[in-house]
Amino acid sequence: DTGVSQDPRHKITKRGQNVTFRCDPISEHNRLYWYRQTLGQGPEFLTYFQNEAQLEKSRLLSDRFSAERPKGSFSTLEIQRTEQGDSAMYLCASSLLSGLLNTGELFFGEGSRLTVL
Amino acid sequence: DQQVKQNSPSLSVQEGRISILNCDYTNSMFDYFLWYKKYPAEGPTFLISISSIKDKNEDGRFTVFLNKSAKHLSLHIVPSQPGDSAVYFCAATGSARQLTFGSGTQLTVLP
Repeated sequence: DTGVSQDPRHKITKRGQNVTFRCDPISEHNRLYWYRQTLGQGPEFLTYFQNEAQLEKSRLLSDRFSAERPKGSFSTLEIQRTEQGDSAMYLCASSLLSGLLNTGELFFGEGSRLTVL
Repeated sequence: DQQVKQNSPSLSVQEGRISILNCDYTNSMFDYFLWYKKYPAEGPTFLISISSIKDKNEDGRFTVFLNKSAKHLSLHIVPSQPGDSAVYFCAATGSARQLTFGSGTQLTVLP
């Protein structure tokens, strides 16, 4: 297994367009998280899934954002009607709940960089 | 409301010397504290963690100290190596196990 995989690595779009990012977690990891990172800041929590259930969403996640994990494996993050303020690195992370409870560790992907023109 | 703060955006140290990175938090419900390292164009990678019931955890050249009364933790790297040059993020988590990150400290180890 090669770790958490995210696609695309970089997306350039025009304001008002919709974009979708995909995350493939480490297999058998039941927890999946989405974070957003802007320049000079640490990653900010957006939402997380336990298997296919979305358990928490940050208030940062406006109505234009939607995330799914339909079969408890891969996840998608869609941004509708993109705005320039959406430009950021979108990070996906996964973990086994049992591991999380022991160490709190998440395994991050390399991220998907969004540029909104 | 920044619950996890790293007040030093950058730190430079000489190779072989000690690097000390600091982090403060405000939420007393956090029960695990972690350090992540991030290289450019890569995702953060886990370095070391500490439970709130401990005050020290050591892993090779890396040691994390936790002072609960001061709500402060620090990461010590001894000896520092040029390959340690990266952005270091402090993070904390509570029962929901969603990490709250600081803004990061860019460590530069000079040869």
